[in-house]
Amino acid sequence: SYMLTQPPSVSVAPGQTATITCGGNSIGYKSVHWYQQKPGQAPVVVVYDDSDRPSGIPERFSGSNSGNTATLTISRVEAGDEADYYCQVWDSSSGHPTVIFGGGTKLTVL
Amino acid sequence: QVQLQESGPGLVKPSETLSLSCTVSGGSISNYYWSWIRQPPGKEPEWIGYIYYTGNTNYNPSLKSRVTISVDTSKNQFSLKLSSVTAADTAVYYCARVQRLGELRSWFDPWGQGTLVTVSS
Repeated sequence: SYMLTQPPSVSVAPGQTATITCGGNSIGYKSVHWYQQKPGQAPVVVVYDDSDRPSGIPERFSGSNSGNTATLTISRVEAGDEADYYCQVWDSSSGHPTVIFGGGTKLTVL
Repeated sequence: QVQLQESGPGLVKPSETLSLSCTVSGGSISNYYWSWIRQPPGKEPEWIGYIYYTGNTNYNPSLKSRVTISVDTSKNQFSLKLSSVTAADTAVYYCARVQRLGELRSWFDPWGQGTLVTVSS
């Protein structure tokens, strides 16, 4: 089955840039979505379809996807960005469309 | 602005059936796909399945034998039943609307606040 690999943790100082990766076989051919989840809250989509931002999400959040790696980039990181981040794709390699989530990355703002 | 709210028992005994409902407010359940997603404590989300307002469903193959998702358009609700539960089914259960650009380009937005279901005797 298809697997998505994320680093367990990323740490960054306020004002710097955080880069969170999501690795998967030929993920560049898939549509990748990113969610932010703060403690005790439901996930919220921050980037969809590789690089689009929902209304209300700051321009500081951006995404890219190519080859075997999708990337969520958070510019000018703020304390309020501290959260878990998950990538999500669909996989139909087994013949049945199924949603796959990455294992998540905990972003710590130093 | 669409909002979703899960409801149902927070404690289910092993081997019994977990039953949850999701009420959609601020918009119609029609013309959208709706999904159930669960998240065990400290782990990533796991997709359970989705339903179209007409009743068409698609389930996670790993849970398919135990899952039933249904919709009641008159109540603007959809529901989840998961049979023969074990401790491994303990999780926060979320309902969510499916946003579609195509079946393999869909994401989930918004999500309900989630409800913790514990499987224990």
